[in-house]
Amino acid sequence: QQQVKQSPQSLIVQKGGISIINCAYENTAFDYFPWYQQFPGKGPALLIAIRPDVSEKKEGRFTISFNKSAKQFSLHIMDSQPGDSATYFCAASMSSADGLTFGKGTHLIIQP
Amino acid sequence: EPEVTQTPSHQVTQMGQEVILRCVPISNHLYFYWYRQILGQKVEFLVSFYNNEISEKSEIFDDQFSVERPDGSNFTLKIRSTKLEDSAMYFCASIKIETQYFGPGTRLLVL
Repeated sequence: QQQVKQSPQSLIVQKGGISIINCAYENTAFDYFPWYQQFPGKGPALLIAIRPDVSEKKEGRFTISFNKSAKQFSLHIMDSQPGDSATYFCAASMSSADGLTFGKGTHLIIQP
Repeated sequence: EPEVTQTPSHQVTQMGQEVILRCVPISNHLYFYWYRQILGQKVEFLVSFYNNEISEKSEIFDDQFSVERPDGSNFTLKIRSTKLEDSAMYFCASIKIETQYFGPGTRLLVL
């Protein structure tokens, strides 16, 4: 019930391409869905977040798509750049102040 | 820009020993968190702390763990009797508005 399932585990995308990472959740009480980016040796950093009352949120090259009925959400990185190479985690919680339940992460490599 | 800081960056300890991991959250943040990340695995929530008491804890946060805010700036995680499986990266976080800001982590190795 508390799990967030993330796929794929790893992803290789050519520079300029679109990177797509998917997550699914079971707990319908989840109300806050952030995506975190983590570089080696660093802590996770918030990339973008969404609440279930909207179906899409865009910030620069990063877009979250949210499907409440399917209990799925995804991260799209447009015009992917080598600097985007990192591990991406989706997460969910019942409120933004609650402890986050993370997915297992996606190791993204953008090839120049 | 203010950051969450953590000390030490690395700690090696013997099984059964007590360790204290330290964090300085961003000032004027009110909620504090500890998470851990076993090598190559996902980040796992341990505990949240608000108004000088635990507000939420996971099943991982058993009696061997404790948290404290000993003064106005530090936030600590104590592991009373470390086990091999406690080896992980431990992250502290604090929140402003909706965003949890994570520190750089302490890598704990239990031998």
